[in-house]
Amino acid sequence: KAGVTQTPRYLIKTRGQQVTLSCSPISGHRSVSWYQQTPGQGLQFLFEYFSETQRNKGNFPGRFSGRQFSNSRSEMNVSTLELGDSALYLCASSLSGAEDEQFFGPGTRLTVL
Amino acid sequence: AQSVTQPDIHITVSEGASLELRCNYSYGATPYLFWYVQSPGQGLQLLLKYFSGDTLVQGIKGFEAEFKRSQSSFNLRKPSVHWSDAAEYFCAVAVGYKLSFGAGTTVTVRA
Repeated sequence: KAGVTQTPRYLIKTRGQQVTLSCSPISGHRSVSWYQQTPGQGLQFLFEYFSETQRNKGNFPGRFSGRQFSNSRSEMNVSTLELGDSALYLCASSLSGAEDEQFFGPGTRLTVL
Repeated sequence: AQSVTQPDIHITVSEGASLELRCNYSYGATPYLFWYVQSPGQGLQLLLKYFSGDTLVQGIKGFEAEFKRSQSSFNLRKPSVHWSDAAEYFCAVAVGYKLSFGAGTTVTVRA
C-alpha cells in the first residue's frame, strides 16, 4: 500500500509570508501527527489529529496551526514566517495514535530567507 | 513532563562489530518506548517498540532492545553491524497522543 505522502517536498519562502504543507496518510489511518526537525532542536512535536479533532499540541506559537479533513488528509499552516522556521517538517500517520507504530513521510524541507 | 535522553551524540563502529545505543527516559509509569532510524534524506522508520511483557524486544534489521525499569533505560543493540546501518537513531516515548524524541545518535560505520 502507498506510504505517507507530503507535498511539496521543498519550499522556499521569505520572512513574513505564510505557507501550507500537506500530508496524505496511509489509507485507513485516522491519526496524523506533525513534527518539526532542526539541527539545533531535534525532533519536536507540533500537533496530532484524529478524526478531524486535535488531541494534542506541542509548545509552538499560534502561528503554527493545522487541520484534518474527513478523508484524514491533513494540512499545517505557518503564518508570518520567521528565519527560525526553516526546518524539515515531518508528517506521520498511524491507526490510532502515537502509541501505535507511526509511519513517517519523507518530509517537507522549508527554507525561509 | 516526560523526557528522553540519548547520551551519545555520535558513535563510530567497525563493520561486523557490535553496537549499543543508550536511551534513558523520565516518566512516572512505564511508557510506550520506541526506537526509530532515519537514513540520510529520508523519513523515520520504526525499528522496534516496547509496551509491556518480555523486556527483550526484537525488531527489524537484526536489532533488539532491552527495557530495564530499575535503570529507566531502553538500550538498542545489534550484534554485528553492516555498512547500511549508518544512520541516525532516535529513541522515543509516547504519552498523550504524542512522541517525544531523544536528540538522536548518529552512527558511522567504518570498513
